[in-house]
Amino acid sequence: ILNVEQSPQSLHVQEGDSTNFTCSFPSSNFYALHWYRWETAKSPEALFVMTLNGDEKKKGRISATLNTKEGYSYLYIKGSQPEDSATYLCASRNAGNNRKLIWGLGTSLAVNP
Amino acid sequence: NAGVTQTPKFRILKIGQSMTLQCTQDMNHNYMYWYRQDPGMGLKLIYYSVGAGITDKGEVPNGYNVSRSTTEDFPLRLELAAPSQTSVYFCASSSTENQPQHFGDGTRLSIL
Repeated sequence: ILNVEQSPQSLHVQEGDSTNFTCSFPSSNFYALHWYRWETAKSPEALFVMTLNGDEKKKGRISATLNTKEGYSYLYIKGSQPEDSATYLCASRNAGNNRKLIWGLGTSLAVNP
Repeated sequence: NAGVTQTPKFRILKIGQSMTLQCTQDMNHNYMYWYRQDPGMGLKLIYYSVGAGITDKGEVPNGYNVSRSTTEDFPLRLELAAPSQTSVYFCASSSTENQPQHFGDGTRLSIL
């Protein structure tokens, strides 16, 4: 299994701060990179699916970039709000893993009011 | 729109008992997945299906079975429950493999 790694493991920021975290994934035989938001006591909710090198996606205050050549993606949150508190998961699909999604452990974000 | 529905939400089983976790989706998605999520671990794929009549093993299939007789339903069966199967189970679906996955609310299963 080719691993997906996320950093940092957890993050505490103040309301209004902007923040970002990283997802590292295998760059070889890459198909797609998924980002999900997972609130406590709920189920994961899709944010973005990215497939092309250099791709940038945006949803409200949240945006993501993708570098498939070096195998990383950044997720940015602009002006964090308490309701952004959640675990942010990324998952990569590569031919080396028989094209199944392999999930990272997530970055847990806490936004203090 | 119900999306992905899982039942039951909670269950306690004794070692050696069997049970089926139900999953149904109303989005006409071809792809369906079963994951387990353990503390400190990422989501692990148990089984998946790319369409009615087609299933395949994921990373951690041992101790589980699935079937996909219809597009809507993808039940997960535990034949001989073991304490190692204590976990939270999530069912998900997607229209294609590169589209976002839609998750159910999860089933919390404890085996004592």
